[in-house]
Amino acid sequence: GAGVSQSPRYKVAKRGQDVALRCDPISGHVSLFWYQQALGQGPEFLTYFQNEAQLDKSGLPSDRFFAERPEGSVSTLKIQRTQQEDSAVYLCASSPLSGTGGDYGYTFGSGTRLTVV
Amino acid sequence: AQRVTQPEKLLSVFKGAPVELKCNYSYSGSPELFWYVQYSRQRLQLLLRHISRESIKGFTADLNKGETSFHLKKPFAQEEDSAMYYCALPGGYQKVTFGIGTKLQVIP
Repeated sequence: GAGVSQSPRYKVAKRGQDVALRCDPISGHVSLFWYQQALGQGPEFLTYFQNEAQLDKSGLPSDRFFAERPEGSVSTLKIQRTQQEDSAVYLCASSPLSGTGGDYGYTFGSGTRLTVV
Repeated sequence: AQRVTQPEKLLSVFKGAPVELKCNYSYSGSPELFWYVQYSRQRLQLLLRHISRESIKGFTADLNKGETSFHLKKPFAQEEDSAMYYCALPGGYQKVTFGIGTKLQVIP
């Protein structure tokens, strides 16, 4: 596709419910990142994939969060037993290079706004 | 630990006035730095990167290693510049550290 696509755009979950957020990066982009952006804050790193390999998951806040990118393209961020503090915008970004994008930076998706009630 | 500080959450300027969005960083190595922008109802996008020393939409930013700053400047603000601006510092293995963001409001 022309850009990074995320779905759903909005998700309301009851506390304790499991959710799955999808990211479809730009075709051919090697690197894929997930960020969490709480209200009034900047994006915070969650995890990084280089192709299908998850090379850094140090930003995942708890073991309720995990992400996968099994074929090196689409990625899913799953949150189990959601809590109110999980409410945030979840951003996906991709880059044609391995690493932080260097001169290219990231291309971001529109994000998924998760509200846990 | 690397850190990015944007001291102003909101900056209001009149159209035609100069703009300076402040960014200070803490990083032990040789930093690369970016500015990202998010216009209303649009996605976060790269505005400029220090390594290319370019001017985008009239904005420039100079890396000052002595002051550990990377302030974003524009001589004459336009209404369409109103947006959220994030200073960003790549570091570590792959992650990028973003500042809290500054909302620029250009008053007509």
